[in-house]
Amino acid sequence: KAGVTQTPRYLIKTRGQQVTLSCSPISGHRSVSWYQQTPGQGLQFLFEYFSETQRNKGNFPGRFSGRQFSNSRSEMNVSTLELGDSALYLCASSNSYEQYFGPGTRLTVT
Amino acid sequence: GDSVTQMEGPVTLSEEACLTINCTYTATGYPSLFWYVQYPGEGLQLLLKATKADDKGSNKGFEATYRKETTSFHLEKGSVQVSDSAVYFCALSEPLWETSGSRLTFGEGTQLTVNP
Repeated sequence: KAGVTQTPRYLIKTRGQQVTLSCSPISGHRSVSWYQQTPGQGLQFLFEYFSETQRNKGNFPGRFSGRQFSNSRSEMNVSTLELGDSALYLCASSNSYEQYFGPGTRLTVT
Repeated sequence: GDSVTQMEGPVTLSEEACLTINCTYTATGYPSLFWYVQYPGEGLQLLLKATKADDKGSNKGFEATYRKETTSFHLEKGSVQVSDSAVYFCALSEPLWETSGSRLTFGEGTQLTVNP
């Protein structure tokens, strides 16, 4: 069974721009969660989607948003990028309490 | 709220040494507990899990026991290899009954380096 895939793997953006990251979950998994990983803050939960609905949300500003499509694929969007948004963004898919992670998208904001 | 505390790192060991990485947690309910491993440039891999008190998770020679009385889930391995060099994260997942979802709360991560 194919694992979680994320595209692109690397991105470089300029402050003020917006970015969209994509995640394809494991086949049959209906829940997709997003996490931000930085050296200073560690791993932090962004949000979770299930059946195209945001089910849970972490403590991030409204610039961070997401959506899920009917095939369970998910996208997250960050608008008005700030330098502090530079991070590894990880997507995880789940069909129960176990979450399986993709390789991440490394976003650098300059 | 929920929290996970891991022993401070980094940890450097010689090949075949014993490993223990301490992990304690705070949770309001009955969480599931996990250890994830992250190799350089990669995402997180689920290493092992335990869903209730006294459960022992094990995989690839690593073990951890869910201790409710001490709120701990320490990771152990009897003989480490150079290939075990990675960052290890302890995590908990507590059901969010209001939304029928769950989220992972992670510890800070412990960098393990194993020298030949």
